[in-house]
Amino acid sequence: AQKITQTQPGMFVQEKEAVTLDCTYDTSDQSYGLFWYKQPSSGEMIFLIYQGSYDEQNATEGRYSLNFQKARKSANLVISASQLGDSAMYFCAMSRNYGGSQGNLIFGKGTKLSVKP
Amino acid sequence: NAGVTQTPKFQVLKTGQSMTLQCAQDMNHEYMSWYRQDPGMGLRLIHYSVGAGITDQGEVPNGYNVSRSTTEDFPLRLLSAAPSQTSVYFCASSVDSKVYNSPLHFGNGTRLTVT
Repeated sequence: AQKITQTQPGMFVQEKEAVTLDCTYDTSDQSYGLFWYKQPSSGEMIFLIYQGSYDEQNATEGRYSLNFQKARKSANLVISASQLGDSAMYFCAMSRNYGGSQGNLIFGKGTKLSVKP
Repeated sequence: NAGVTQTPKFQVLKTGQSMTLQCAQDMNHEYMSWYRQDPGMGLRLIHYSVGAGITDQGEVPNGYNVSRSTTEDFPLRLLSAAPSQTSVYFCASSVDSKVYNSPLHFGNGTRLTVT
């Protein structure tokens, strides 16, 4: 069965430092996508970054990068130069073929990141 | 550009009551879905739709009903509310359900409490 595992329920990082949020996945699909979402305390879900299973380069979006290790089935999110506004819940998600649709995502349980001044 | 709009933001129901959570998107997205978020559980798929007139069940569909009469709207109906349905509900859409690289765009959520 497809599964996303985020093993860090909570993490602290000092402002301006880099932080890595872990995500491992399990799937038998050959084609899949991996996503990271941010959920601040206000509650909305914000899409951060995407990595395709066939992409050879790691995805980057500004201060966010995705460390994709296909053989290890890991898709860790790296946030460089942390800011106070990065304090939020972060969810790793994976697309899956569910009922014939690739659009459904399966989510991990999330990691709560707290940035200290 | 409004994106995905959910109403209401908050709702309190008594056990046994019914209600409809509204969801509308103005991006002409083919795919729409409803998730619920519970503490420590991540997001779980309730129902989804790959286009107008087509709906299907997700992982936790019991107690919920959906319809998709137009591309824009995807309401979620609670038939007889139970305390176990206390949760935050998110509606989400994406441009194409046939590819695996379409990110979901989320509404701002509805916080539902059933007493």
